Amino acid sequence: AQKITQTQPGMFVQEKEAVTLDCTYDTSDQSYGLFWYKQPSSGEMIFLIYQGSYDEQNATEGRYSLNFQKARKSANLVISASQLGDSAMYFCAMREAISSGSARQLTFGSGTQLTVLP
Amino acid sequence: DTGVSQDPRHKITKRGQNVTFRCDPISEHNRLYWYRQTLGQGPEFLTYFQNEAQLEKSRLLSDRFSAERPKGSFSTLEIQRTEQGDSAMYLCASSLKYRGTSLKETQYFGPGTRLLVL
Repeated sequence: AQKITQTQPGMFVQEKEAVTLDCTYDTSDQSYGLFWYKQPSSGEMIFLIYQGSYDEQNATEGRYSLNFQKARKSANLVISASQLGDSAMYFCAMREAISSGSARQLTFGSGTQLTVLP
Repeated sequence: DTGVSQDPRHKITKRGQNVTFRCDPISEHNRLYWYRQTLGQGPEFLTYFQNEAQLEKSRLLSDRFSAERPKGSFSTLEIQRTEQGDSAMYLCASSLKYRGTSLKETQYFGPGTRLLVL
């Protein structure tokens, strides 16, 4: 089974509007971390935001916020006031706890290509 | 620039040839990861080092692949007898080990090496 599912291969948003990128995950661990990365066409993965499974508040970093719904196992990324420079691939990733034997590496989804329209 | 660097950025080779990639992590980071990313997919974990010790290897890392981090600083990834299926982006990431839980440990990625095997 897919551990990270991103169901939107591509999304379009008008400049200055907000957009939500979906991410659902599958884990039996109680402790895990969720990450979002941005990958422009240049290829470098840029860290955006982190949410821990025990964090009570939804994470926010500038224009990025994470809509974390633990019971639904979803961790959607919200980008407010979209800019042309936000056009890129966006990846959701998870790190599970040591108990599952995969404490170190990240497991990524297949990504969502976001295009911001002028 | 104190980010993760990778060399070369692009490599074209003929099937059957050996190739070697280099990664220089952020200087104070003691953990280093290699991932492979094929077109339209998220990165997949290959292997991970803590200092000079290779602590984990994915089953994706066949016998033709070898990675080293001899002095706990830069790392090399070698692919022997390349095959067309090895064509991908090879990403390196580094992180700093936390004293407490490692769940929120953020991996910072380099720009990647794009390999094309003809």
